[in-house]
Amino acid sequence: DIQMTQSPSSLSASVGDRVTLTCRASQSINNFLNWYQHTPGKAPKLLIFAAFSLQSGVPSRFSGSGSGTEYTLTINSLQPDDFATYYCQQSYSVPPHTFGQGTKLEIK
Amino acid sequence: QVQLVESGGGVVHLGESLRLSCAASGFTFNTYAFHWVRQAPGKGLEWVAAISYDGSNKYYADSVKGRFTISRDNSKNTLFLQTSSLRADDTAMFYCARDQFSDLLPDYINAFDIWGQGTMVTVSS
Repeated sequence: DIQMTQSPSSLSASVGDRVTLTCRASQSINNFLNWYQHTPGKAPKLLIFAAFSLQSGVPSRFSGSGSGTEYTLTINSLQPDDFATYYCQQSYSVPPHTFGQGTKLEIK
Repeated sequence: QVQLVESGGGVVHLGESLRLSCAASGFTFNTYAFHWVRQAPGKGLEWVAAISYDGSNKYYADSVKGRFTISRDNSKNTLFLQTSSLRADDTAMFYCARDQFSDLLPDYINAFDIWGQGTMVTVSS
């Protein structure tokens, strides 16, 4: 199975900041990489699919990049609603649809 | 309104069973694959199982294979997860999620575009 590792595990930032979250796969996943946002008590939300594609309705301050085994999620100009846990997920070799362990983004 | 609503969670004892349901509305249910994903307390998301649009293909995580069964009733726009031989480490919030595609196939970048709010399963000793 492909293993997904996210860094950092947690991150403190302020409203208006730009942050970058990283996700590494144990082997090349050819951009078969998705990003989700999860706020406690809410349904997880798809942000980015296929490494770069912004899901409909997601603000353009979210962007994805990367290739091979390393991918990033960048959030420009953080808003209060952005403080949540972010998960990457590979869909290159399935099943299983492996998730990373998550990055918790907290308010500084 | 496109939505998924889970139900059927509860508190059960070790070794017991529980049937989870996920009612879909606002879209054509029988054209999409679906998944169950869970989150144990204080842990991250874990994919559990998937089923193709017509129920002909089913996929499971090793941790639940042989104990959980995913199914669907396209006439009732409902997804199910039958759980059995429940263990303490099955305690989790269970979410159903819609796949962007109809099945898990090569070259399909399966992403989960619609999620429910979850139903909690607690396995006590």
